Amino acid sequence: EVQLVESGGGLVQPGASLKLSCVASGFTFSDYWMSWVRQTPGKTMEWIGDIKYDGSYTNYAPSLKNRFTISRDNAKSTLYLQMSNVRSEDTATYYCTREGTMGMTDWFAYWGQGTLVTVSS
Amino acid sequence: DIVMTQTPSSQAVSAGEKVTMSCKSSQSLLYSGDQKNYLAWYQQKPGQSPKLLIYLASTRESGVPDRFIGSGSGTDFTLTISSVQAEDLADYYCQQHYSYPFTFGSGTKLEIK
Repeated sequence: EVQLVESGGGLVQPGASLKLSCVASGFTFSDYWMSWVRQTPGKTMEWIGDIKYDGSYTNYAPSLKNRFTISRDNAKSTLYLQMSNVRSEDTATYYCTREGTMGMTDWFAYWGQGTLVTVSS
Repeated sequence: DIVMTQTPSSQAVSAGEKVTMSCKSSQSLLYSGDQKNYLAWYQQKPGQSPKLLIYLASTRESGVPDRFIGSGSGTDFTLTISSVQAEDLADYYCQQHYSYPFTFGSGTKLEIK
């Protein structure tokens, strides 16, 4: 059974940094592209970015590229999202997702339970 | 960026009724190389994470009931629930995976009368 478990969310002050983690199980992590997607309290869904199965390539939403960094550790089956200089508009639930097809970037076949990040002073 | 527009924003139907919801993209999602539409549908029940229902516009994910039907091509897509059940109460989102950055529609909230 595929499982994605996010952690690292919480209350953070504006301007601070935060690193989210997602531990994967139930599949060969190093075979799949992975993405981060966030959902605001108003339910708007936003794709943040993705990372190739070997970690050699990343893509980002242009509006987030300068502040967010995605990485992975295939030995630990873990995906990361480094967030810097956070703003109130970054308040959202952050989901880790796995692509549907091995070796390809496509639809989000599996989602974690999400971790809530609240940016407030 | 490709803009995804979903309508209606919400609708209420009785159990057993047929419901359709629309998703329109600002650019074609039909890839000429394989003639496939790069459009997915997700269902998000209250308090849960989104779940993949449909990919490539019309392919039902494993385990998804056959009352969920995806159709359309190019820029116009539809999700149909042939006979709504009480457990279908959820938000439904479309998403394009044709080009970066991947984008979502604003969702359709399905309520059961």
